[in-house]
Amino acid sequence: SQKIEQNSEALNIQEGKTATLTCNYTNYSPAYLQWYRQDPGRGPVFLLLIRENEKEKRKERLKVTFDTTLKQSLFHITASQPADSATYLCASNDYKLSFGAGTTVTVRA
Amino acid sequence: ETGVTQSPTHLIKTRGQQVTLRCSSQSGHNTVSWYQQALGQGPQFIFQYYREEENGRGNFPPRFSGLQFPNYSSELNVNALELDDSALYLCASSLAGGNDYNEQFFGPGTRLTVL
Repeated sequence: SQKIEQNSEALNIQEGKTATLTCNYTNYSPAYLQWYRQDPGRGPVFLLLIRENEKEKRKERLKVTFDTTLKQSLFHITASQPADSATYLCASNDYKLSFGAGTTVTVRA
Repeated sequence: ETGVTQSPTHLIKTRGQQVTLRCSSQSGHNTVSWYQQALGQGPQFIFQYYREEENGRGNFPPRFSGLQFPNYSSELNVNALELDDSALYLCASSLAGGNDYNEQFFGPGTRLTVL
């Protein structure tokens, strides 16, 4: 089955900077990768999806890339704000979602 | 549009007991998936129900069982609770055939503590 690996170290950045999160998959290239945001004690909320044949996808201040050669997706939050502080989860898409452990981002004002 | 709801919010049980968690799907969704999320980990897939039938199962023992009802709401039952069952249990609903990427909408979760 698919294994998703995310940088387990928390990311602390200054407001206004760009946060970059990494998601690596180990087996077959998934048809889609999804990114979710999770706040403490809450369920994940869908943010973005990128297809295998797409290089890049953007939504407002968010950008996701998909590199099938590196077996990696990068998730960028540009012009970060304290309200962006949360855990971000990467998931590969079959009939079920296979999640990574998530990366916790803290944006300092 | 009604979102995914789960009950109860929190629950404390002792080892060996049984527990039932409930989930109401988002309006119009016919598929429900259950996930277990231990502290500091990502959600782990338990099983999925589609039209009242189990439609895939993760690496969980048979003491984890479920039901889906005609109105697409669902229950997760766990028998013979163990300390390691302490986790956030998440329900996610989706519309099979609605899109090809299986976007799932998560509920707020039930926090289960086993003592």
